Order: sequence, then C-alpha cells, then structure tokens
Amino acid sequence: GAGVSQSPSNKVTEKGKDVELRCDPISGHTALYWYRQSLGQGLEFLIYFQGNSAPDKSGLPSDRFSAERTGGSVSTLTIQRTQQEDSAVYLCASSLVGWNTEAFFGQGTRLTVV
Amino acid sequence: GENVEQHPSTLSVQEGDSAVIKCTYSDSASNYFPWYKQELGKGPQLIIDIRSNVGEKKDQRIAVTLNKTAKHFSLHITETQPEDSAVYFCAAGGSSNTGKLIFGQGTTLQVKP
Repeated sequence: GAGVSQSPSNKVTEKGKDVELRCDPISGHTALYWYRQSLGQGLEFLIYFQGNSAPDKSGLPSDRFSAERTGGSVSTLTIQRTQQEDSAVYLCASSLVGWNTEAFFGQGTRLTVV
Repeated sequence: GENVEQHPSTLSVQEGDSAVIKCTYSDSASNYFPWYKQELGKGPQLIIDIRSNVGEKKDQRIAVTLNKTAKHFSLHITETQPEDSAVYFCAAGGSSNTGKLIFGQGTTLQVKP
C-alpha cells in the first residue's frame, strides 16, 4: 500500500480480555516501530524491529505486552488481560532501513478498555 | 536510558509571528533529529529532519538548528499561519547502539488569526 496501515482503527474491549492490533508497514521497509500515545501525551516507545535482528523490547511496559513481526512485514501487538490504563492510541511506524531514515506513521488504533 | 525533553508544552502566537520549540537529548551517540507534526486524529508526519553533520537546515518557513556539544536542537517556524496549529514532536535517534527514535512530550502550538 501507499502508507502504513493499522487495524482496527478503533477497539473497545472489556477489562481482562486480550486484544491484537495489526500493522502493515510500507512495502520494503525493514524497520518497524510501535509507540503508545495516551490522551494529550507524547509518544512512548514500545518496541522496535529491524530486519532479522532481535527486536528491541525495552519499552514494553509489562509482560502482558508482546509483539511479533512475521516474514519481516506485518506486525501484531498483543495485549493480554487488558487494564484500563492500557487505554491509549497505539501508533505503528516503518522506515526504510531503520536508524537515520524517515519513519512514516499509521493513523493509529484507539484502544478503549472498559 | 535515553531521554528527550521538549519545551514549551504549549505555545500560543499571533498569526505572522515566529514560534520556537526547543529539545534536549541525553544520548550523545544520537545522530538523527526529526520533527513531526500531528494534527487531530492523525498520525504524526515528518516536517523536517537534521543529521549530526549539519548545524542548521531550512525548508521554506521552517528551520531546525542543532548544537551537538550542548545536546540540544530547536524548531523555528516563521510567519506562522493558522494551519500551523498542531502538536509538534521532536525526536532523537540513529545511535549506532540502537535504532529506536525517542520522542519528546510534544508542544501544542496555537496560531491565533
């Protein structure tokens, strides 16, 4: 596609349920990032994938959060046993070769935990 | 760990005035400093970036300056227009140790007509 695509655009879930958020990066981009943006806040780094290297998971807030990137393309962010504090916009971005190149963002997935 | 501080958190200017947003970063190995603009309900979009081998870069009404010694960089918008109203984020990254981009907390810019 022409840009980074995220789905769903909105997700409402009950506390304690698991959710999966999907990101389709720009074709050919080797780097993929996940960020979390709480209401009125900045972008909190979650995880970074670069090619076939082991992902940088240093930003994941707890072991309820995990992400994978299959075949170096599509990525899924999974949040298990969701809590109300997980409510936020989850943004995905991709870049051509990672560091030092422009990161293109998707529109985000707005997650609401009720 | 890596950290980026951004100031001010909110900025209100009259149309036609200039706006300046400042950021400092902690990782001295960072060598890539992009600025993003985020409009309501949209993902951030790159407006300008600078690399560590350059001290200043301009693109029409937008300019960015970088002081690597002091580890700070700034965004300057001249002749502001109402459509410049948005949230602006600075970021630092490109360290040879890690590829991740660390973002500042954002600045909400309001340009009053």
